[in-house]
Amino acid sequence: KNEVEQSPQNLTAQEGEFITINCSYSVGISALHWLQQHPGGGIVSLFMLSSGKKKHGRLIATINIQEKHSSLHITASHPRDSAVYICAVLSNFGNEKLTFGTGTRLTIIP
Amino acid sequence: DAGVIQSPRHEVTEMGQEVTLRCKPISGHNSLFWYRQTMMRGLELLIYFNNNVPIDDSGMPEDRFSAKMPNASFSTLKIQPSEPRDSAVYFCASSFNRAMQPQHFGDGTRLSIL
Repeated sequence: KNEVEQSPQNLTAQEGEFITINCSYSVGISALHWLQQHPGGGIVSLFMLSSGKKKHGRLIATINIQEKHSSLHITASHPRDSAVYICAVLSNFGNEKLTFGTGTRLTIIP
Repeated sequence: DAGVIQSPRHEVTEMGQEVTLRCKPISGHNSLFWYRQTMMRGLELLIYFNNNVPIDDSGMPEDRFSAKMPNASFSTLKIQPSEPRDSAVYFCASSFNRAMQPQHFGDGTRLSIL
């Protein structure tokens, strides 16, 4: 079993729909990252959080430490949101080693 | 501000050749990471440095891989000899080694070993 599990693996939605991507982890963590990777492109850090909720534009990330679960939401989705979204956790062992989920491929259809 | 700079962007070479990937971290960042991304395994940490010192190299697949960070503004990842299974996208990232500081990724080097 992977330490970081994401669901769904693939998601196709119509423009304007509300999107939710989930991440569950099995280890103790000090922080969780949400990353975005466009096809053939680089990786961008969207959020880094250790508790509660963060919002940036149409993107919202939440984390529940007790349940070891995080969600990434996209409101009013747009074709330019089409990308792979990757969850990564930073363990609480005192180092900076990230463990990655396998990613969720999101496709928004106009 | 310049981000993390990697070179080359693309490399195609024959198996058995030496490959050197280069990374310039963001100025002032004191942690540097090398990652490999493949379709089968996703993103994997190969090695990371803090203040130019290797901290965790447990992800380096075998002795054919080596990484150096001679100073705060430059790092290399070397594969010698290269094999077709080394084909992947290699990312470098850097960050401040402080609580809740994100990693900034370079654009990656797409490596193809024929």
